[in-house]
Amino acid sequence: GAGVSQSPSNKVTEKGKDVELRCDPISGHTALYWYRQSLGQGLEFLIYFQGNSAPDKSGLPSDRFSAERTGGSVSTLTIQRTQQEDSAVYLCASSLAWGTAPSTQYFGPGTRLLVL
Amino acid sequence: AQSVTQPDIHITVSEGASLELRCNYSYGATPYLFWYVQSPGQGLQLLLKYFSGDTLVQGIKGFEAEFKRSQSSFNLRKPSVHWSDAAEYFCAVGLRTGTASKLTFGTGTRLQVTL
Repeated sequence: GAGVSQSPSNKVTEKGKDVELRCDPISGHTALYWYRQSLGQGLEFLIYFQGNSAPDKSGLPSDRFSAERTGGSVSTLTIQRTQQEDSAVYLCASSLAWGTAPSTQYFGPGTRLLVL
Repeated sequence: AQSVTQPDIHITVSEGASLELRCNYSYGATPYLFWYVQSPGQGLQLLLKYFSGDTLVQGIKGFEAEFKRSQSSFNLRKPSVHWSDAAEYFCAVGLRTGTASKLTFGTGTRLQVTL
């Protein structure tokens, strides 16, 4: 597609339920990133994929959070046993691999998650 | 660890006036610096970036930014603001991780434009 797409655009869930958020990166982009944007924490890095592997998971806030990427394309961020503090906008970005300098990250519109 | 400070949470300017949004960073090496803009309900759009070379960087929509190493700053400027520039602006520093970079963002500056 022309840009990074994310689904769903909005998700309301009950505390304790599991949720899956999907990201479809720009075709040909080998790097994929997840960020979280919340009122209390601002914009924070969660995890990054190069191809199907995740060399950097340093930003995942707890073991309830996991992510996978298949076929070097679509990625899914899963939050198990959701808590109210998980309420945030989850942003996905993709880029080409680092060449001689950082490649531009292109962001999707985000998934707004509300945990009741 | 790297960090980014945007000291102004909210700025209001009149349409046609000049604009400067402040950004200070803390990073041990030569930083990779970015400015992104986020309109309501939208994702982040890259305005401009600095990696090396000329310290005055031109971006899209008439924005520019100047890297000042001595002040650890990367302020964003526009000579004449348009009403459509109302949005939230984020400064970020990129840290290399493997073959990509992860961004550390400032807390953002919300720009309001009065007519």
